[in-house]
Amino acid sequence: GESVGLHLPTLSVQEGDNSIINCAYSNSASDYFIWYKQESGKGPQFIIDIRSNMDKRQGQRVTVLLNKTVKHLSLQIAATQPGDSAVYFCAGHGGSQGNLIFGKGTKLSVKP
Amino acid sequence: GAVVSQHPSWVICKSGTSVKIECRSLDFQATTMFWYRQFPKQSLMLMATSNEGSKATYEQGVEKDKFLINHASLTLSTLTVTSAHPEDSSFYICSASKRVRQPQHFGDGTRLSIL
Repeated sequence: GESVGLHLPTLSVQEGDNSIINCAYSNSASDYFIWYKQESGKGPQFIIDIRSNMDKRQGQRVTVLLNKTVKHLSLQIAATQPGDSAVYFCAGHGGSQGNLIFGKGTKLSVKP
Repeated sequence: GAVVSQHPSWVICKSGTSVKIECRSLDFQATTMFWYRQFPKQSLMLMATSNEGSKATYEQGVEKDKFLINHASLTLSTLTVTSAHPEDSSFYICSASKRVRQPQHFGDGTRLSIL
């Protein structure tokens, strides 16, 4: 079946350190993945996406790595800042209508 | 760009009331809009997919007659929770995308509390 899940429910890092958030998926047919950031009381905010024909994509302070062999996705945040504190979701396209399947979420807490 | 506006952001009403939530794409035309429900400390659960000019596709377990979706234009979709009860209290979030398999852009959600 289709599912996207996260390894860790919470992650606490020191300000300035790098953060790595992991995600596993089960549907080998998924060809598009997105990372979202959700702050309390708000909707998810697009961070970065990656298609299955790539294994790495970089944005501003963020990098997404895709390992199709083990069906694993990760989000790396460089020099983590207090403003990065939020819940991070990975999502994969699993349906014919383009609907996303969301992972459970990882809560990132940044200690000053 | 790609701004999605959701209204209202917060609503409290009595049991039995019907509540309408609007989702608008402000700076792009959304072929497809999605409605999600999110309980505290949980992930987003897709309720239905809405394509402009056609009937919405509901996920298994979501009652069509309870959650009415209308996508009358390329910039507006509405979700009406009919005869709402306390168990319908939740955070409802919409998203919109320009085309299928393009990034979805989310509204800021509507917190619905039914007394």
